[in-house]
Amino acid sequence: DAGVTQSPTHLIKTRGQQVTLRCSPKSGHDTVSWYQQALGQGPQFIFQYYEEEERQRGNFPDRFSGHQFPNYSSELNVNALLLGDSALYLCASSRGYSHEKLFFGSGTQLSVL
Amino acid sequence: SQQGEEDPQALSIQEGENATMNCSYKTSINNLQWYRQNSGRGLVHLILIRSNEREKHSGRLRVTLDTSKKSSSLLITASRAADTASYFCATVDQTGANNLFFGTGTRLTVIP
Repeated sequence: DAGVTQSPTHLIKTRGQQVTLRCSPKSGHDTVSWYQQALGQGPQFIFQYYEEEERQRGNFPDRFSGHQFPNYSSELNVNALLLGDSALYLCASSRGYSHEKLFFGSGTQLSVL
Repeated sequence: SQQGEEDPQALSIQEGENATMNCSYKTSINNLQWYRQNSGRGLVHLILIRSNEREKHSGRLRVTLDTSKKSSSLLITASRAADTASYFCATVDQTGANNLFFGTGTRLTVIP
C-alpha cells in the first residue's frame, strides 16, 4: 500500500517563474492538504481539496493555487515566485474531508534563486 | 493566532530517559494531535486526543490534555536514539477558519 507520494523531491527556480508540485494521496484517501514549511518552523496550512474543490484556505496569496483530479491526486501551483517561497512543501492526505490523522508525503524542497 | 507553541524549543537527553514536551494553544479545539518529523522530511502522525479526553496512551507515548489551561503534554518514556526528531502539536481552530495549525516544534535529541 503506497503512502503519499510527491514529485519532484527537489526543485530550483528563479524569481518570477512558475512551479507545479504534484501529490498522490494514500490509497483510500480522498482529501488532500498542502503545507509550506520554512526552515526551523512548523508547517503552515495553504489549502485543502476535497471532491475536486478547494474547501479551506490558509493565509496565502492568490499566487498559490491548486487542483484536485478525479483520482484524488493534486497539484500545487505557485506563480511569480519570490525568494520567500523557498521552503519544503508538504502534501498530506486524509479520509473524508478531515484534518485528523494526516498522512504526509516526504515533501518537495523548493529553492528560489 | 491559533498556532500552538511547543516548549521547550530543544531538548537533549540520554537514551533510556523520559522526554516531556508541552504545547499551548489559544482557542477552543475539538482535538489536538501530535506529529513527529525526522530531519525535514514528512510528518508522521503519533496520537490524537479529543477535547473530552484527559489522557491517552500509545506504546511509549503518553499525552495529556488540559482544556482549562489550553495545554497538552507529550511524554516519551524510555527514549531511544531513533526518537531523535522534531515534535509538533496541531490543533483545528473551532472559532475561526477551521484550519489546522501546527506549533513551532520541539527538537528532541536522544544521545546513545
